[in-house]
Amino acid sequence: QITLRESGPTLVKPTQTLTLTCTFSGFSLTTSGVGVGWIRQPPGKALEWLALIYWDDDKRYSPSLKSRLTITKDASKNQVVLTMTNMDPVDTATYYCARTPYGLDRFDPWGQGTQVTVSS
Amino acid sequence: SSEVTQDPAVSVALGQTVRITCQGDSLRNYFASWYQQKPGQAPILVIYGQNNRPSGISDRFSGSTSRNTASLTITGAQAEDEADYYCSSRDSSGNHWVFGGGTKLTVL
Repeated sequence: QITLRESGPTLVKPTQTLTLTCTFSGFSLTTSGVGVGWIRQPPGKALEWLALIYWDDDKRYSPSLKSRLTITKDASKNQVVLTMTNMDPVDTATYYCARTPYGLDRFDPWGQGTQVTVSS
Repeated sequence: SSEVTQDPAVSVALGQTVRITCQGDSLRNYFASWYQQKPGQAPILVIYGQNNRPSGISDRFSGSTSRNTASLTITGAQAEDEADYYCSSRDSSGNHWVFGGGTKLTVL
């Protein structure tokens, strides 16, 4: 059974850096063809793709957020970490991680999500 | 702004068939995937690729693509199908992913 779980702070202040961790089980990021992505959803709004990392350390970022995002992996710990700098209230959202296979365009399964509020 | 667009809301009578669409130029080259999201829950994948359902997804759900439009069809809609549905695909560069704005499905 594949599971993913997001963790991180629930509240960050404007201008701070957000660090989120996706801890997964049931698959390995040392396996060829495996990737993990991050997607967020502001309250009452649509999903927004943020970033993705593959087993071979290929990294992809949303063009609109690229300057603020960094995605890394620790395959030995089954973790993927997303950092987002210069947080703003508009970044308030539920942040999800999900597994994605290379070359097959889908995100499945998803973690339960972690809610992040940006407020002073 | 999203590179794939969806109608904000669609309704269907119980037991009838409904089609939810997703439009974008990238869909000429890349398949869409479809996600169902119920209030307070994480999205779940319902359709991917040409017309593939993950294990456990009802065969009421099917997908298709024509030119720049991907469609999710629910045949014999049930009350439990009421949810928000999102399409996703690669963007025009092929190197990034985008989500549509979502379609709220109401089952009457």
